[in-house]
Amino acid sequence: DQQVKQNSPSLSVQEGRISILNCDYTNSMFDYFLWYKKYPAEGPTFLISISSIKDKNEDGRFTVFLNKSAKHLSLHIVPSQPGDSAVYFCAAKMETGANNLFFGTGTRLTVIP
Amino acid sequence: NAGVMQNPRHLVRRRGQEARLRCSPMKGHSHVYWYRQLPEEGLKFMVYLQKENIIDESGMPKERFSAEFPKEGPSILRIQQVVRGDSAAYFCASSPLRGATDTQYFGPGTRLTVL
Repeated sequence: DQQVKQNSPSLSVQEGRISILNCDYTNSMFDYFLWYKKYPAEGPTFLISISSIKDKNEDGRFTVFLNKSAKHLSLHIVPSQPGDSAVYFCAAKMETGANNLFFGTGTRLTVIP
Repeated sequence: NAGVMQNPRHLVRRRGQEARLRCSPMKGHSHVYWYRQLPEEGLKFMVYLQKENIIDESGMPKERFSAEFPKEGPSILRIQQVVRGDSAAYFCASSPLRGATDTQYFGPGTRLTVL
């Protein structure tokens, strides 16, 4: 039962252009969302998060958008850089109840120089 | 400030042996989580612990798997009588407190290979 879904397993983008990674969720109890970046043979690195009371959060080149009614969030990276090439995981959690993260299956981003 | 530390980074075991994975949380963090990642999949929650307490083990297989986080020392994930299906990357994460917006920080993982 995959409650967090990343339907694009891979994405290729030219350096300098925008990368848009998408994530959908099914559980309406989720109210906090995070994006992690993962390089091979390393652990996930926290990138950016958003609470359900917001619809946008920005940190430098990274912006996360949340559409609660559609149960959809996206991560925008602009401008994309070759060092951004990695697997990006979307994760969600609930304020009450379980404190664990529910992860999507990841999107492999390749930024072409 | 050192991050989450896990050891060993790689562990090879034969079927039927025991695997012990260790996790030292970030300084000041008292909450530890274990996740497992199978090939080509996302991370799946296994267990959530605080010092000397298992808070939530709903994601952990009922048999052969156990976890602890003693008062002193690292958290340990123990897998008894390993089988080939246990081959995966096991990640530990820690957070400073439990709350809606606390972020979990991950260690580099232990890659378990069962021969």
